Amino acid sequence: KQEVTQIPAALSVPEGENLVLNCSFTDSAIYNLQWFRQDPGKGLTSLLLIQSSQREQTSGRLNASLDKSSGRSTLYIAASQPGDSATYLCAVRGPSGTYKYIFGTGTRLKVLA
Amino acid sequence: DTGVSQDPRHKITKRGQNVTFRCDPISEHNRLYWYRQTLGQGPEFLTYFQNEAQLEKSRLLSDRFSAERPKGSFSTLEIQRTEQGDSAMYLCASSSDPGQGETEAFFGQGTRLTVV
Repeated sequence: KQEVTQIPAALSVPEGENLVLNCSFTDSAIYNLQWFRQDPGKGLTSLLLIQSSQREQTSGRLNASLDKSSGRSTLYIAASQPGDSATYLCAVRGPSGTYKYIFGTGTRLKVLA
Repeated sequence: DTGVSQDPRHKITKRGQNVTFRCDPISEHNRLYWYRQTLGQGPEFLTYFQNEAQLEKSRLLSDRFSAERPKGSFSTLEIQRTEQGDSAMYLCASSSDPGQGETEAFFGQGTRLTVV
C-alpha cells in the first residue's frame, strides 16, 4: 500500500531564504509525482508534475526533483517571498493497477516579511 | 476555459438529508477525480472516471455515496442520508492522457459541506 510522508509538517523562514520541502513514498513503482500548493480554504494549485522517467522539473523559482529508487522527491523554493506562504502537498500516482493520486499531509510554510 | 468548476461552493445541510455536488472539468480532459479533504489532512481519493466509465472507487466510499459522469462531461457526487462525519471539503480534479504520460491534474475550488 502506497504511503506518502512529508517533512517537515510546518516551516517558518525569513523572506529571501532558499528552502527545501521533502516528500517520501513507500512504493517506487509510480507513474508520476505532482507538487501542489493550497491556500487556506481553497482548492489545490498545480506547481510541477514529474513523470516517472524524469529526474526534475523547473518552473520559475521552483525546482522539483525525483529519485524513484529511494522513494523521494524534493521541492526547492529559491528566494522565498511572503506570497509563498501556503501548504505544499505532494501526490504520487501508482503503482500499476490504480489511477488515484495518494497525497501526503503537506508542509505548512510561512515566509516572514 | 476557466479551469475546473465546482458548484455549490458551500453547502450546509441537516443530518439525514441528501446532497448533490457538480463538477465541470476542463473541456478536453477525459479523466476526472473526486477527493475529500478534512482539516489538516491531504486530499483522500473517492473515485475516478475515464470518460463516462467509473474505473476506480475507494473502499472508503460507502453505499451512501454515488458518482456519475454521463456522456463523459460534467460529473455529480451525491451523498445520501448525510452524517456529521461527512462534513469536509469535496474536491474535483481533471486531467488528460494524450499518450505521452498523464498531464498535470487541475483541481477545482471545492465544495465545503457542513452537516449539522
